[in-house]
Amino acid sequence: DTAVSQTPKYLVTQMGNDKSIKCEQNLGHDTMYWYKQDSKKFLKIMFSYNNKELIINETVPNRFSPKSPDKAHLNLHINSLELGDSAVYFCASSQIHSSIGYTFGSGTRLTVV
Amino acid sequence: QQQVKQSPQSLIVQKGGISIINCAYENTAFDYFPWYQQFPGKGPALLIAIRPDVSEKKEGRFTISFNKSAKQFSLHIMDSQPGDSATYFCAASQTGANNLFFGTGTRLTVIP
Repeated sequence: DTAVSQTPKYLVTQMGNDKSIKCEQNLGHDTMYWYKQDSKKFLKIMFSYNNKELIINETVPNRFSPKSPDKAHLNLHINSLELGDSAVYFCASSQIHSSIGYTFGSGTRLTVV
Repeated sequence: QQQVKQSPQSLIVQKGGISIINCAYENTAFDYFPWYQQFPGKGPALLIAIRPDVSEKKEGRFTISFNKSAKQFSLHIMDSQPGDSATYFCAASQTGANNLFFGTGTRLTVIP
């Protein structure tokens, strides 16, 4: 029973392609996030959604578009992939107004060639 | 701008030794300071956390020391074991802000 599950785990694609990463949580949390971890392991928030509404949108290229069909799902769509998009993308969830206990998925390693 | 500064970048400790990782922050509005542990191929997992109303929190071999006036906090791993080898991240947040700011990570290697 994975609490936060992401698919796919690995994604290799060519420059210019469009790809999506899916995330689902079964913890009953109402807030979900996307984080990007670069090659130096630095974790940076990209987006935060609460009950399907965007509440944090950091400086991320417009090519990245999150979509939340319901509060248990937060997908990340990336258009026109670039080499610099190669990273590990983590989905996480928590209860709103509670920084306690962010639960992370196991990540999606995106490689753009 | 890095909200939370973490050091060292990497750390090698003998089995049974003490591992110490340090973090510093600037934003005095931060009121929650968790530590996350990340194994290769896995997502970060919450290890231990502290709020500024206490100066120390201990859970098993893991202790957080917190110095509010210096705006610093540290993780101590006592009797370090090879299974503790992982990347450790400190983080900080402000209640209600819904954003967790991470340090740059410390790669800990415990050698047998």
